[in-house]
Amino acid sequence: GAGVSQTPSNKVTEKGKYVELRCDPISGHTALYWYRQSLGQGPEFLIYFQGTGAADDSGLPNDRFFAVRPEGSVSTLKIQRTERGDSAVYLCASSLIPGRGVYNEQFFGPGTRLTVL
Amino acid sequence: AQKITQTQPGMFVQEKEAVTLDCTYDTSDQSYGLFWYKQPSSGEMIFLIYQGSYDEQNATEGRYSLNFQKARKSANLVISASQLGDSAMYFCAMSLRNQFYFGTGTSLTVIP
Repeated sequence: GAGVSQTPSNKVTEKGKYVELRCDPISGHTALYWYRQSLGQGPEFLIYFQGTGAADDSGLPNDRFFAVRPEGSVSTLKIQRTERGDSAVYLCASSLIPGRGVYNEQFFGPGTRLTVL
Repeated sequence: AQKITQTQPGMFVQEKEAVTLDCTYDTSDQSYGLFWYKQPSSGEMIFLIYQGSYDEQNATEGRYSLNFQKARKSANLVISASQLGDSAMYFCAMSLRNQFYFGTGTSLTVIP
């Protein structure tokens, strides 16, 4: 079956521009997560959706970052006024068992590599 | 505060030998999950093994086993009979409430 897909795979933009990164989770997975992975680091949690609502957005670094999941499946991570420090790989993951259960194995997408010049 | 600590930035192991990758975690919660993921150079995150905080037995998945020592808050990954394809970054992670916390990773190189 299809796994988590992310588009684009690579995105190069200029400082100050707006970007959108898309995540298509595994069908039927109610939980969706966004992470940011900087070079040489582990993934850093950004936001978690349970269904359509953001259940936890405490990892978003500032108000330039926003994410939506209007129909409870596809999610879009939006970054306004991009800065060079936003350059990273943005990973999306989905899981079948939402939130509080400890065994919520996450299936990761291939990531979007964002480069801000 | 760092919730997951991986103190080995890089490790080398001879092919067919066993290797242990260290992971310690920090939480006062009683309910949590511990995971190991493999990230090859292609960038995908591949789930390897899971250990629940209430599980009394160490988890095993094929050549992977998780040495869970709850009192010491450690969750080391043991890979037996290393293969060349095991060369990758390995991340320890903890699920706690709604979030996943990852360590900084260990780069494993298997030497032929």
